[in-house]
Amino acid sequence: GESVGLHLPTLSVQEGDNSIINCAYSNSASDYFIWYKQESGKGPQFIIDIRSNMDKRQGQRVTVLLNKTVKHLSLQIAATQPGDSAVYFCAENIREYGNKLVFGAGTILRVKS
Amino acid sequence: SAVISQKPSRDICQRGTSLTIQCQVDSQVTMMFWYRQQPGQSLTLIATANQGSEATYESGFVIDKFPISRPNLTFSTLTVSNMSPEDSSIYLCSVRAPGDEQFFGPGTRLTVL
Repeated sequence: GESVGLHLPTLSVQEGDNSIINCAYSNSASDYFIWYKQESGKGPQFIIDIRSNMDKRQGQRVTVLLNKTVKHLSLQIAATQPGDSAVYFCAENIREYGNKLVFGAGTILRVKS
Repeated sequence: SAVISQKPSRDICQRGTSLTIQCQVDSQVTMMFWYRQQPGQSLTLIATANQGSEATYESGFVIDKFPISRPNLTFSTLTVSNMSPEDSSIYLCSVRAPGDEQFFGPGTRLTVL
């Protein structure tokens, strides 16, 4: 398949290490956030979400942290595996703009074995 | 989560022609969207496909170029009209679940020669 994310920042981690992917969002009125994983040749896959009234949410091997003060979102992946290699996007829901999801630039995660 | 399929999965087209992309969802959804992902880029919202009424287009996208149909709550089409090489992209259908989670189809990979 084609390579998605040729112009995106890259994070390289060793297999088994923890990964932290960061995202700065744009609108202080955003009330809901989603992290997506996109593998080469596929559509974005929903990973985890968080509402603006929370600052942390945990899933299976993933944790999302939200800092509304500085408009920052992060995705932590524990014990990173080769199958985690993909492009990761954060998205913010801007309700005042008609409830639309706006995407960040994306980060390439490469897992070294 | 909703299961979304798109047809075709990929196509190579000549400039000046048009391509219609179909999106089918396995359940009734109120909100359905079309996104574009240019090579190496993030996702950009083209329009919201409204059932029974005209689509709502984002800035920079117009109905003459990207006509959209939404005949019912499980199906939508996006047409890319009078194509040029700059239209080469991945086109993605997306739906929003009642809990605000938003899911994506596998995408249609379009190359315009």
